[in-house]
Amino acid sequence: DQQVKQNSPSLSVQEGRISILNCDYTNSMFDYFLWYKKYPAEGPTFLISISSIKDKNEDGRFTVFLNKSAKHLSLHIVPSQPGDSAVYFCAASGVNNAGNMLTFGGGTRLMVKP
Amino acid sequence: NAGVMQNPRHLVRRRGQEARLRCSPMKGHSHVYWYRQLPEEGLKFMVYLQKENIIDESGMPKERFSAEFPKEGPSILRIQQVVRGDSAAYFCASSLGTAQLTFFGQGTRLTVV
Repeated sequence: DQQVKQNSPSLSVQEGRISILNCDYTNSMFDYFLWYKKYPAEGPTFLISISSIKDKNEDGRFTVFLNKSAKHLSLHIVPSQPGDSAVYFCAASGVNNAGNMLTFGGGTRLMVKP
Repeated sequence: NAGVMQNPRHLVRRRGQEARLRCSPMKGHSHVYWYRQLPEEGLKFMVYLQKENIIDESGMPKERFSAEFPKEGPSILRIQQVVRGDSAAYFCASSLGTAQLTFFGQGTRLTVV
């Protein structure tokens, strides 16, 4: 029972173009969503988050959009850079979760070509 | 300000042996989480601890796995009688409190041979 899904295992984008990573969730009790970036042999590092009371949050080149009715969120990276090549995980937490327990999607591997 | 420290980074165990994974949270953090990542999958929650207490262990297998976070010292994830299916990356994370950002360590890669 996957409560958070990232349906695209990989994405390839040209440097300078937009990268769009998608994430769907099924649990309507989730109220906080995060994106983590992960390089090989390292731990996930926090990228950007959004609360369910918002539909957009922007930080530099990174913007997260939340569509609550569709239970869908997306991460936009503009412009994409080769250093953005990594695995991106969508994660969610909710009022029923203990502490900051996070439910992760399976990840999308982004490759930005120079 | 050191981040979340995990050791060892790599651990090789034979089937039937015990594996002990250590995690020192960020300074001042009293909330610790353990996650497991199987190959080509996302991270799966295992257990949430605060000092000396297990708060939620709903993601932890009922047998062979245990976790502790003593008053002094690091949090320990212990796997007894390891099997090949335990081979995975185990990540520890910590936060200052609930509703606070969670920071992850670099992980321990356990290989069972």
